[in-house]
Amino acid sequence: GIQVEQSPPDLILQEGANSTLRCNFSDSVNNLQWFHQNPWGQLINLFYIPSGTKQNGRLSATTVATERYSLLYISSSQTTDSGVYFCAVLSSVYSGGGADGLTFGKGTHLIIQP
Amino acid sequence: KAGVTQTPRYLIKTRGQQVTLSCSPISGHRSVSWYQQTPGQGLQFLFEYFSETQRNKGNFPGRFSGRQFSNSRSEMNVSTLELGDSALYLCASSLGGYLYNEQFFGPGTRLTVL
Repeated sequence: GIQVEQSPPDLILQEGANSTLRCNFSDSVNNLQWFHQNPWGQLINLFYIPSGTKQNGRLSATTVATERYSLLYISSSQTTDSGVYFCAVLSSVYSGGGADGLTFGKGTHLIIQP
Repeated sequence: KAGVTQTPRYLIKTRGQQVTLSCSPISGHRSVSWYQQTPGQGLQFLFEYFSETQRNKGNFPGRFSGRQFSNSRSEMNVSTLELGDSALYLCASSLGGYLYNEQFFGPGTRLTVL
């Protein structure tokens, strides 16, 4: 199945700093989403971005589908940005036995210190 | 529009018991997917239902099963619980199409098996 790798695994920054989170995937995709998991476990949708660039406030994301990677940018970090950020993809390769649902990376654990 | 809801939010069971979790998707969404999150394995896809039919299935034993009702609400059942089934179970809903299938997650059910 498709492989998803996120980097860095951990990131500690001071409030106000900018950060870039990376997601590499091993095959072509129909769907790529970025999520922020809050302390209670809920996955909050940040971007649906199988290709192209999107921006939402201090967050933006870019997916270069031909090179099989996506980047999540967080500018002017706030302590409320702390948490785990996941990249998840849905392969566009039909496996015959059914697709595998979203495949998640292991996440980037972001800590923003005041 | 109301989001994805899951009940119960917390469960404590003992080994050998069975458990049923419920998920109500966003109104108009016909696809419901289930995921298991553990510290060791991360987020893993269990199965997906669309129009009352299981369309996709992940790599989990037959003790894990599910169903979907005509109103798109879904249940998942785990029989003969094992300690390793302790996890956060997340449900996601989407429109279910192949070209656009952004998934939206519920708050999860945290299952503890003693």
